[in-house]
Amino acid sequence: NAGVMQNPRHLVRRRGQEARLRCSPMKGHSHVYWYRQLPEEGLKFMVYLQKENIIDESGMPKERFSAEFPKEGPSILRIQQVVRGDSAAYFCASSPWGDSNQPQHFGDGTRLSIL
Amino acid sequence: SQQGEEDPQALSIQEGENATMNCSYKTSINNLQWYRQNSGRGLVHLILIRSNEREKHSGRLRVTLDTSKKSSSLLITASRAADTASYFCATSTDKLIFGTGTRLQVFP
Repeated sequence: NAGVMQNPRHLVRRRGQEARLRCSPMKGHSHVYWYRQLPEEGLKFMVYLQKENIIDESGMPKERFSAEFPKEGPSILRIQQVVRGDSAAYFCASSPWGDSNQPQHFGDGTRLSIL
Repeated sequence: SQQGEEDPQALSIQEGENATMNCSYKTSINNLQWYRQNSGRGLVHLILIRSNEREKHSGRLRVTLDTSKKSSSLLITASRAADTASYFCATSTDKLIFGTGTRLQVFP
């Protein structure tokens, strides 16, 4: 049973380009969470999605960032017109239910570098 | 703002010794979770303790929770070199809020 799969593992973009990060949750999981981690820091919550719905996007910048989790296919975190400050590791986690008393299962992240 | 703060930020010990990490938080929680992160990898869930629990064990791990002091501790007994990693607490209300982590180095 495959875990949470994120791709690409590493992504390099120039300033102004778009970055698309993909996350396939564990089989049977319909809840997806995106986090951002800067070096030597903890993870910061960005957005929580259930299939076809955004449940909580309170941690996601209003400009340039968007997320989706379509009925079919992976969840996508999209960053438009990237800037140097977007360089970070982006992690996706999934859970079978949106129950805060359940652990989340994490992917190995996408490391985004902006030149 | 970050909910959890871990203490110490970094810890170095010899194999066989115990490692204790502390976490403090600010608001009411449903539960508190501990995760481990190896370098370059994602987080792995270790243990979850609910707000009405005071202590929980899992193998060599022991977690305590004091809701009156808004603090938790993670004890790893008889540490091994393979325990070298960063350890994060995360408080759960409607979302997970992570602390800044403790970087544990276990020397053989």
